[in-house]
Amino acid sequence: EAQVTQNPRYLITVTGKKLTVTCSQNMNHEYMSWYRQDPGLGLRQIYYSMNVEVTDKGDVPEGYKVSRKEKRNFPLILESPSPNQTSLYFCASSSTGRNEKLFFGSGTQLSVL
Amino acid sequence: GQQVMQIPQYQHVQEGEDFTTYCNSSTTLSNIQWYKQRPGGHPVFLIQLVKSGEVKKQKRLTFQFGEAKKNSSLHITATQTTDVGTYFCAGQDGGSQGNLIFGKGTKLSVKP
Repeated sequence: EAQVTQNPRYLITVTGKKLTVTCSQNMNHEYMSWYRQDPGLGLRQIYYSMNVEVTDKGDVPEGYKVSRKEKRNFPLILESPSPNQTSLYFCASSSTGRNEKLFFGSGTQLSVL
Repeated sequence: GQQVMQIPQYQHVQEGEDFTTYCNSSTTLSNIQWYKQRPGGHPVFLIQLVKSGEVKKQKRLTFQFGEAKKNSSLHITATQTTDVGTYFCAGQDGGSQGNLIFGKGTKLSVKP
């Protein structure tokens, strides 16, 4: 089944403790992206990747890192999480990123205490 | 930078009433997409509009793309409780990166 898999589904952590949210897609998509969703603010893009080893900042990249060493994986790294990064995170992918629909993962609800 | 404005932010309707959400872009778009997110779920692609003035229908849902390719609407006829969720538009500009910019969404609630 074609899908985008995110883990974990829920995560509670403390300020400053490094964490990684994994994202994997099995559709051989070139384009992958991370979004955060906050009430009243919609979906805001954090980082995106047009292909392996190519990543770019989105609208809200501060405090986040990403890597794209393999086509299927696009982990989101929070080196030193802070409470303002408490949010619902979605990974998404599409074939090329241009005029293509996005497939979303199920989301990761992160709470930083 | 490119912005996509979506209104209203919330809409409460009685089952059977119609519903419309509107999107406006600050720049001309190459295409616009619509997504639905059920409560507790993730956004799911509904449709993509590419041509100026394009109108597409999916059962009770009608999607329009403006002549200038800067605005779009989603209209639901005779809402049902299964329509509950947040509807997002997402515009893609014709620039070199062509990234999708999401509107803030319209949260629809339907009273039975």
